[in-house]
Amino acid sequence: AQKVTQAQTEISVVEKEDVTLDCVYETRDTTYYLFWYKQPPSGELVFLIRRNSFDEQNEISGRYSWNFQKSTSSFNFTITASQVVDSAVYFCALSKRQTGANNLFFGTGTRLTVIP
Amino acid sequence: EPEVTQTPSHQVTQMGQEVILRCVPISNHLYFYWYRQILGQKVEFLVSFYNNEISEKSEIFDDQFSVERPDGSNFTLKIRSTKLEDSAMYFCASSEGRGFTYGYTFGSGTRLTVV
Repeated sequence: AQKVTQAQTEISVVEKEDVTLDCVYETRDTTYYLFWYKQPPSGELVFLIRRNSFDEQNEISGRYSWNFQKSTSSFNFTITASQVVDSAVYFCALSKRQTGANNLFFGTGTRLTVIP
Repeated sequence: EPEVTQTPSHQVTQMGQEVILRCVPISNHLYFYWYRQILGQKVEFLVSFYNNEISEKSEIFDDQFSVERPDGSNFTLKIRSTKLEDSAMYFCASSEGRGFTYGYTFGSGTRLTVV
């Protein structure tokens, strides 16, 4: 069974602070994929990153960075120098590898509020 | 950039009525999905569709739900007899190939309110 845990329900930071959103996952599969999505107040789901289980390299994209550690089953997301536009709900999700279509298992999300 | 289009953006319906939520996936995508998000909760998988048939469905996707790809462009979710607890945001998604490889593109959602 797949499970994604985002223990932080809500986080508030002051603009320009760094913030890390935690994601812990459970799966019995040896091959799997991890995702982060952003849901701004307008409601849509915006894709941020996909990472497969064989690639433990950390990734940086502008102010965003991701730390994938299989040893702790974590895929944490850090926003550096946060901005008000970063205010959103962030979802971590897991997809297993199998034949046919595959679906995403989402965590419960972390609501980030960046205070100006 | 290609996008997944969902209509309507908001629908209000009376309990017991049938609703059809519509989606136009990205044209060269082969896999289609519906997800649901009850207000303030996580996004939950409903069903995936590939090669004109359901590939996988969750426990939520019971007999009152059905999906259809009536033509080459639309992908619909029908709820036969809506209940109050069906009130949620419904997201359509598509992927070019298997989602874990190609990624999933989500639409902006349809907010369904059952009164």
